[in-house]
Amino acid sequence: DAGITQSPRHKVTETGTPVTLRCHQTENHRYMYWYRQDPGHGLRLIHYSYGVKDTDKGEVSDGYSVSRSKTEDFLLTLESATSSQTSVYFCAISESVVGGTGELFFGEGSRLTVL
Amino acid sequence: SQQGEEDPQALSIQEGENATMNCSYKTSINNLQWYRQNSGRGLVHLILIRSNEREKHSGRLRVTLDTSKKSSSLLITASRAADTASYFCASSMYSGGGADGLTFGKGTHLIIQP
Repeated sequence: DAGITQSPRHKVTETGTPVTLRCHQTENHRYMYWYRQDPGHGLRLIHYSYGVKDTDKGEVSDGYSVSRSKTEDFLLTLESATSSQTSVYFCAISESVVGGTGELFFGEGSRLTVL
Repeated sequence: SQQGEEDPQALSIQEGENATMNCSYKTSINNLQWYRQNSGRGLVHLILIRSNEREKHSGRLRVTLDTSKKSSSLLITASRAADTASYFCASSMYSGGGADGLTFGKGTHLIIQP
């Protein structure tokens, strides 16, 4: 299994509080991603990183920020959590293939409940 | 909007039968991938097929790609109870040299009846 861990695995918080999810990899992969998974929507890309301090927005980036200060760590922050951000969050890592994205390796997910 | 859409949304078959899932996408792709997700777990990569390939095999898996119809299919032969899971297709669009992520469909939930 790829060395990718997410923390915390479960979190319950209240509306308006800040939340940070951490993704840690030991594979030295260049690319890291945050997805959210919701019933009826599949997985949707929030943000991704293509190197230290290099990040870009995905499909559903509003209300989220990210940071990558080291190759191995990619943080997802909800500045002020809302109930619509209740979801399962997955981190993934990859290397690129020519002209596109290669195989993704996923973490086990972080289940966030915002009350 | 979702790039990929799987069909059917749910599929229940008997152990030993073959399972076929279909995926459609909307724009030109660099490659298309299939993933499996067991309940409560992360996704696991199954197979990647490039836009210039038409068919690919991996063990009991067979994937086809028809770029003219913007569709792909995943065939699992001789199904087993352990194949019970959700299956997702995911597409990689052409990018300027980077890996800007995959766009996932909503998945097919496959149940193998013993």
